Amino acid sequence: DIVMTQSPATVSVSPGERATLSCRASQSVKRNLAWYQQKLGQAPRLIIYGGSTATGVPARFSGSGSGTEFTLTISSLQSEDFAVYYCQQYKSWPRTFGQGTRVEIK
Amino acid sequence: QVQLVQSGAEVKKPGASVRISCKASGYTFTDRAFHWVRQAPGQGLEWMGWISNGNGDTIYSQKFQARLTLTRDTSAMTAYLELDSLTSEDTAVYYCARDEDLWGQGTFVTVSS
Repeated sequence: DIVMTQSPATVSVSPGERATLSCRASQSVKRNLAWYQQKLGQAPRLIIYGGSTATGVPARFSGSGSGTEFTLTISSLQSEDFAVYYCQQYKSWPRTFGQGTRVEIK
Repeated sequence: QVQLVQSGAEVKKPGASVRISCKASGYTFTDRAFHWVRQAPGQGLEWMGWISNGNGDTIYSQKFQARLTLTRDTSAMTAYLELDSLTSEDTAVYYCARDEDLWGQGTFVTVSS
């Protein structure tokens, strides 16, 4: 199985600041990487697929990377962005998720 | 409106089975596959299995292979998860997801004696 490792576990950011979240795969997933946002009590929501294609989110969200190293950047955090973010590979079976990064208010 | 609506919360005894439904609307059901993912209280996301949009082929996580069954009823536009031999470790929110891009609201399953 491909192991997905996210860092840090928690990041504390002030509104308006930048947040950078990392996701590492134990083997190459090419660009088959998605990012999800999950707010408390809600289902996850797809925000990035293909490693870098944003869907349904403001332009402040961006994804980059390929192979084994990926980054989600939120350029200027707004109050509604405080949530848990998960990466997931869909290169191979079984699909696997990272353990999540919590973005909290500093 | 494109959405997935799951069945309601369940409370089960250890050793029982649970069946969760996921009704799709607003798109052509057979165009897209389904994944099932669960989340234990306070924990991360755990992928359980997949059912194809074509002939209903399935792929299961090895962890659940022996006691998980995914099915679908195309006429009802509904996907189903059945999990057998429940234990307290199966207490979680269970989600269906259409090809990862659209998720149901989740179904909370509590396993308790």
